[in-house]
This record gives sequence, C-alpha cells and structure tokens, in this order.
Amino acid sequence: AQKITQTQPGMFVQEKEAVTLDCTYDTSDPSYGLFWYKQPSSGEMIFLIYQGSYDQQNATEGRYSLNFQKARKSANLVISASQLGDSAMYFCAMRPNNAGNMLTFGGGTRLMVKP
Amino acid sequence: DVKVTQSSRYLVKRTGEKVFLECVQDMDHENMFWYRQDPGLGLRLIYFSYDVKMKEKGDIPEGYSVSREKKERFSLILESASTNQTSMYLCASSLNSGGVNQPQHFGDGTRLSIL
Repeated sequence: AQKITQTQPGMFVQEKEAVTLDCTYDTSDPSYGLFWYKQPSSGEMIFLIYQGSYDQQNATEGRYSLNFQKARKSANLVISASQLGDSAMYFCAMRPNNAGNMLTFGGGTRLMVKP
Repeated sequence: DVKVTQSSRYLVKRTGEKVFLECVQDMDHENMFWYRQDPGLGLRLIYFSYDVKMKEKGDIPEGYSVSREKKERFSLILESASTNQTSMYLCASSLNSGGVNQPQHFGDGTRLSIL
C-alpha cells in the first residue's frame, strides 16, 4: 500500500523568503509520479508541479521546485520568494504505476505567509 | 485549460434526503474521481471511473453511489444523507495515459451540510 506523510501541519514564512514543505512517501513500485497541489481558502485544488521517479533532474515550475531525494523517499516542495498569495494548504500526492490512475494524498500543510 | 465544473459550491440538505452532486469536465478525460475532504484526514477517494458506465470503489464508498452515463459527466449520489456525510466534496478528472505523469485536475469543490 502507498503512504504519503506530511509532518508539518502548519508553517509560517516571512514574505519574500524561501520555504520548504516536507513530504515523504512509501511505495514498493519502482515507477511512480509525485505531485504537489495548492488549495487556497476558496477550496479549489491547483496542480503545481510534477516529479517522475526516473527523472534525472529535480522539477521546477517558476517559483516552485521539488527537492527529490529518491533514496530517502522524500519530495519536498520549495517555494522561493514567498508571496502573500502563497498562503494556502499544500498537498503532496503520489501515483505509483501499479495503482492505475489513483492518487494517494498526504494530510497537507497549511502555509501562512507573514507580511 | 482543463475545466472541471461542480454544480454547487454550497449545498444544505436534510437527513434522509437523496442528494446528487454533479461534475462536468470539458477536456475529454477518460478518468473521473470523487473525493471527500475533512480536516486532519486529507483527501479520501470515494469512487472513480475510467470510462462511461464503469466505476470502481475507492477507500470510503459506503453510503455513496456514482453514475457515469456520459464521458464528461460524473455524478455522486448520497442515497440517504446522514450528518456524518457533511464534508467538502471534490471532483477531479485526468487523462488515461500509460504513464504516471498525468495530474488530476480538480473542480472548485462543494461544501455539503447535512442537517
């Protein structure tokens, strides 16, 4: 069975600073994809970034980057130059190749950006 | 851009009522999903569908059923609503590719209250 763990229920970061949101995962499938989603208070889930288990380089999308450490089974999200609009819940999710199209989600981290 | 539309943002129903939550996507995605989201529990998969008239149980299908008569529409049905089904409900869709890199795209969610 797959499991995603996000150990930080809530975090504060000062505006314009960088922040790292932790995610560890567990799967026996050698092929899998890792996803991060943002959920503002309005409720919609916004796809941010994807990392494949066989990708050679860490994924980046604008201010978002993924610190992927395969041996440690971790896929931490790094947000650079935090903005007030980054305040939201952030979810890490995984899709192993043997799980069909199903995603397993972590419990989420609430990020609060201070002005 | 992918558009996943849920019929209601907020819904209030009474115990014992039959409740329908509707979801429509406009990107010809094969896969569609229904989740519920509760504080501290993250997103939990109720049902998913990978084709018209096909459905698979997720982690918490009890008390729910689904219908997919057309590719673009996936309905969640609460046969006899109970107060423990008060929650945020999220619909998602994704392409049915052979790899693990397809993200799920979410609707804005429906906050359902059962009185």
